[in-house]
Amino acid sequence: RKEVEQDPGPFNVPEGATVAFNCTYSNSASQSFFWYRQDCRKEPKLLMSVYSSGNEDGRFTAQLNRASQYISLLIRDSKLSDSATYLCVVNGGRADSWGKLQFGAGTQVVVTP
Amino acid sequence: SQTIHQWPATLVQPVGSPLSLECTVEGTSNPNLYWYRQAAGRGLQLLFYSVGIGQISSEVPQNLSASRPQDRQFILSSKKLLLSDSGFYLCAWSVPLRTGNQPQHFGDGTRLSIL
Repeated sequence: RKEVEQDPGPFNVPEGATVAFNCTYSNSASQSFFWYRQDCRKEPKLLMSVYSSGNEDGRFTAQLNRASQYISLLIRDSKLSDSATYLCVVNGGRADSWGKLQFGAGTQVVVTP
Repeated sequence: SQTIHQWPATLVQPVGSPLSLECTVEGTSNPNLYWYRQAAGRGLQLLFYSVGIGQISSEVPQNLSASRPQDRQFILSSKKLLLSDSGFYLCAWSVPLRTGNQPQHFGDGTRLSIL
């Protein structure tokens, strides 16, 4: 079983619509959670950290469900520039894995005019 | 502010040739440093990480090696490249804290093609 699993998509979203997708993680001891964005043939860039109580950054909302071990990302009022692959990232949670992160393979979002 | 530089951006090498990719970080001290590889259409695979000068941990067996000769310099090397070494290589850094919400920040990456 992969440590971080994501629906690869693509999620085809009309401009202005809302899209949401989840990511599940296997290590119940994980402490840190992030969403990254990766454009085609570019490096991943940090989109936002995910906090226990959920958090919002403009049109982006992240939620954490520890009981079911998943995190989610919601994008409101989608823009064409939101088209990218969104990577779910979780830390190892073990004493010997601090600093190391597990990356999901990504969910592709395509925003259409 | 902190910046990370990685070069070259693109590299085409023949099978069996050596490799040296370099990464440097500015604006921070004693960062954790990481080398990842991303195959086409796949997720990131952690290759090496380092918590200090001369301290390297390898995540997967392979014909690559890493070195950290200076605090903010991380080098990825190979003596003889294989076809399977093709991919997108990414260097990353994070602040040197053991716990907490510490993201990693990536360089622009090196796209390596082996012929």
